[in-house]
Amino acid sequence: RKEVEQDPGPFNVPEGATVAFNCTYSNSASQSFFWYRQDCRKEPKLLMSVYSSGNEDGRFTAQLNRASQYISLLIRDSKLSDSATYLCVEGDSSYKLIFGSGTRLLVRP
Amino acid sequence: DADVTQTPRNRITKTGKRIMLECSQTKGHDRMYWYRQDPGLGLRLIYYSFDVKDINKGEISDGYSVSRQAQAKFSLSLESAIPNQTALYFCATARDYNSPLHFGNGTRLTVT
Repeated sequence: RKEVEQDPGPFNVPEGATVAFNCTYSNSASQSFFWYRQDCRKEPKLLMSVYSSGNEDGRFTAQLNRASQYISLLIRDSKLSDSATYLCVEGDSSYKLIFGSGTRLLVRP
Repeated sequence: DADVTQTPRNRITKTGKRIMLECSQTKGHDRMYWYRQDPGLGLRLIYYSFDVKDINKGEISDGYSVSRQAQAKFSLSLESAIPNQTALYFCATARDYNSPLHFGNGTRLTVT
């Protein structure tokens, strides 16, 4: 059973649209959560950490819902350059960072 | 210069050959990791190390070994490469257990 579940997409949206991704996790004791962005054949890069109180960075907002065990990423005013795969990551209390398989976003002109 | 550097960037090798992938970092992080990525499967942990004397197996360590030569260096070896080890390999570092990972630029390995 996969521990971090993401909709693989692709989400195909026009420029300027608002798009949201959810990601569910299985370990209620997990302490840290992150969203990474990965461009094709490149290394994943940290987009933002996800805090219990939520986190906003420009057009990007991340939320954590512990009761339902999911995290979300909201992208407002989508740009062509936002086209990428977005990876959800769950970190438990020891070493383990568990990656989802990613959600692919395509932003069209 | 990249904070986490992997060499080589690309490698093609034959079945049965021994191959080493190298990773070095200038971030001063104690924690280092090796992941592989296959299409549709996401990133899977091969080995991880919390310091020079601490090496641990991840979820898919069979067929791989590692060496932590120094805080800054963590190498991954395939003792006898097989075609299903064809993948994109990433090294990563982290400051502590609550910190995000910082990835190297990856090694694309093809085993024929």
